[in-house]
This record gives sequence, structure tokens and C-alpha cells, in this order.
Amino acid sequence: AQSVTQPDIHITVSEGASLELRCNYSYGATPYLFWYVQSPGQGLQLLLKYFSGDTLVQGIKGFEAEFKRSQSSFNLRKPSVHWSDAAEYFCAVVESGGSYIPTFGRGTSLIVHP
Amino acid sequence: DAGVIQSPRHEVTEMGQEVTLRCKPISGHDYLFWYRQTMMRGLELLIYFNNNVPIDDSGMPEDRFSAKMPNASFSTLKIQPSEPRDSAVYFCASSSQGVLGEQFFGPGTRLTVL
Repeated sequence: AQSVTQPDIHITVSEGASLELRCNYSYGATPYLFWYVQSPGQGLQLLLKYFSGDTLVQGIKGFEAEFKRSQSSFNLRKPSVHWSDAAEYFCAVVESGGSYIPTFGRGTSLIVHP
Repeated sequence: DAGVIQSPRHEVTEMGQEVTLRCKPISGHDYLFWYRQTMMRGLELLIYFNNNVPIDDSGMPEDRFSAKMPNASFSTLKIQPSEPRDSAVYFCASSSQGVLGEQFFGPGTRLTVL
């Protein structure tokens, strides 16, 4: 069965430090890949998505993600974290040629220390 | 634009009661999605509509759940009868770019079934 794994439940970084959030998936073909952010008490907001082409994708708020087919990964990165980035981050996958129902990872909670 | 509007924001009810959650999508968006978020199962897509027509309801957990979209500006998710395991945050989202496009999420309805 298809699955999405975010191995880190919590990550703590200092403000100004770099960030990488991991996402791995298990699908037969290259799926459509997404990263969302959820601030406390709010709905999800799309950060970026990858369908095809350049494997390094730029998103909003200074985030980027890199698709690595050989590792079945789509890790999210930011070179310098701001306190306002503290939130829950979700990776989501949609199987290409399938029902277009997304499968979400369980999320990674980002804590930012001043 | 006011964004996606959901009501109520919080609902507490007793087991066996009927619960109706409401959503007003962003004007001009022709896709509407209902999600459920729980600690146990994470974020799940329940059903989505295109032009007021249900396209995929495979995520609806049981016959106790039903969703309607009588017009382009209003949708409901009904649970009858409600059970404690239905306690969750229910999100509505809308999009003008299809199932693979950016979805704009409402703030959610936190449902507690006692």
C-alpha cells in the first residue's frame, strides 16, 4: 500500500539555523509531491509542489524541496529559520494516474528557539 | 476575499446526536474538499466536489457520514448519529486549480462527541 513517512515527529532548531524536514514515500511511479504548513489553530497552507522537471522546487516563505527519485524522498529545506516558521509541516503524495486522493504524512512539529 | 469560511468553529455534542458542519468556499472556486484530522489517523480526505457534484467519496468512513453541496457557495458535512470516535478537526478547502492545484483551507471545526 502507498505510504508517506515523515520520520521526525519533532525538530528543534535555533533561529537563524538551517532546516531540513524529511519525507519518504512508497509508490511504484513518480507521484505528485506537496509540502504544507499548518500554524496552530489554522488550516493547511501549500508551501510548494513537484510534478515533474527540475528536481529542486522553490516555494513560498523561503522554502525549497528536492525530489530524489533514487531515495524516494522529497525533503524540505530552509537556509535560515525564523521564529515565525514554528508550525506543523506535512508532506503529501498523490499517485500519478490514480484517484488523485492525497496521502498525508503524520507531520513534523518544528520548534524554533530564539 | 474572506477565505474559506467554516461554521461552527467548535461543536460539542453527545453521542447519538446529529451534527452538521458548514462550509462556504472562496467565490469562483469550483472544487471543494472535506478533510478530517485526528491524532490517530492524521489528515484524511473524506470527499471532494467539482461544480457541486461529488467526485470521490471513497474517504467517507461510514454511512453515518454524508456531504452535500446544493450550490457553488455552500456545502455541509453531516454525521448522524455521531459517535465519540468522530471527534476530530474537520477542514474544508476549496480550489480553482483542480485536485492537484493549490487548496485553500478554512480554519476548521473542532468536533467533540461525548
